[in-house]
Order: sequence, then C-alpha cells, then structure tokens
Amino acid sequence: GAVVSQHPSRVICKSGTSVKIECRSLDFQATTMFWYRQFPKKSLMLMATSNEGSKATYEQGVEKDKFLINHASLTLSTLTVTSAHPEDSSFYICSARDQTTEAFFGQGTRLTVV
Amino acid sequence: AQSVTQPDIHITVSEGASLELRCNYSYGATPYLFWYVQSPGQGLQLLLKYFSGDTLVQGIKGFEAEFKRSQSSFNLRKPSVHWSDAAEYFCAVGNTDKLIFGTGTRLQVFP
Repeated sequence: GAVVSQHPSRVICKSGTSVKIECRSLDFQATTMFWYRQFPKKSLMLMATSNEGSKATYEQGVEKDKFLINHASLTLSTLTVTSAHPEDSSFYICSARDQTTEAFFGQGTRLTVV
Repeated sequence: AQSVTQPDIHITVSEGASLELRCNYSYGATPYLFWYVQSPGQGLQLLLKYFSGDTLVQGIKGFEAEFKRSQSSFNLRKPSVHWSDAAEYFCAVGNTDKLIFGTGTRLQVFP
C-alpha cells in the first residue's frame, strides 16, 4: 500500500510555543489530507480536512486559529499547534487520500506540552 | 446521528483461539466500512474494507469481516489468533470525505 510519513514521531515543547507536524505522502499524490487527534484510550476525532491548494475545513469545536493546517502541495500537509498548552498534549495522526477511496495513515505524532 | 459502537473495550484470548470483534453503526445510508489495527504508539493500518458486493470481506493477516445490513453490523473475525495480533482494533464507517471511528477494542493474546 501507499506510504504516509509523519514527522516528528515525538515532540516535547514548552507551554506557549508553537510546534509543526508534517505529513507527507511518499509515493502518491494526496489530493485530500485529514488530521485526527486521539486522546488516551479514546477514538480518533477528525480535526480537519484539507484539499491541496484550498483552505482546510475544520470540524465543529476545533479552533482554526490554534490548529493551523497548510496543504501547499500534493505530497505535504502541515499541522501547526500555536501557543501550545498542556491540554493540547495528545497523539495526532494524519491520513492522506488520492483519487481513490482509501486513505492511508501516518504513524502519528505524540505531542507533549510541558 | 452517525455513530460507531464497539461494545467490547478489552478482549483477551489465548493464542490459537478464534476471535470476533463486534462493530455496530448508525448511518443515514449504506456507508463504506473499515477495520483498522493500531499498534502502541503507531498509526493505523487498514485490515479490510467493504464498499459493496459480497458481504463477506477478506483482509490482510487472515482477518475477515461480514457486513449485515439488517443488524447494522460489521464484525471482524479471525479463526486462529496469533500473539502478534495483540493491538487496538478500530471499526470505522463513512465515505470518502469523512470517517467516523469507534472507540476501539484492545486485544490481548495469551500464549
């Protein structure tokens, strides 16, 4: 199957700083990318959907000014957590889809805000 | 409302035993159905999917799932579990634009 690479796999940042997470489709063009957040022992919650060259569509309750999503190319989307706080600590997972119906997932990023 | 229910939070089986993980959904139309597996600290790997056609779907690693429209269910099965199958399993429903995930079932395998 297609490969989606997410970087970094783990990051620790200080409260008030920003952190960027990258999601790359390595062997296909991702027309759509999805960002999920997974709380401990909980399911994945869709945060936003982004299409290449367009503004991301955020799910209800997700602060677009805190979670900045950029999908500038067909192989790269970034999620920037701005002014991070401890409550933003979580596991963030991206997925990418080409023209087909299947989405492929990255390996996730564990964000810890101290 | 659209939702996915995985009633079993945690299942423990012995290696070699059969396995069935339950998934029920509520969705306005016939959705696409998926099962994913997640190892600790990792992303999700697709085990199998159902879009249409034969309601018994074969996946990777010896897994299969059966779509039962009348029961709004999409249960995952494996005839003989291996120790390496220990992981978190997620059922998901939706379309190409959005997936709704269940809360997951943690599978523990004893030798």
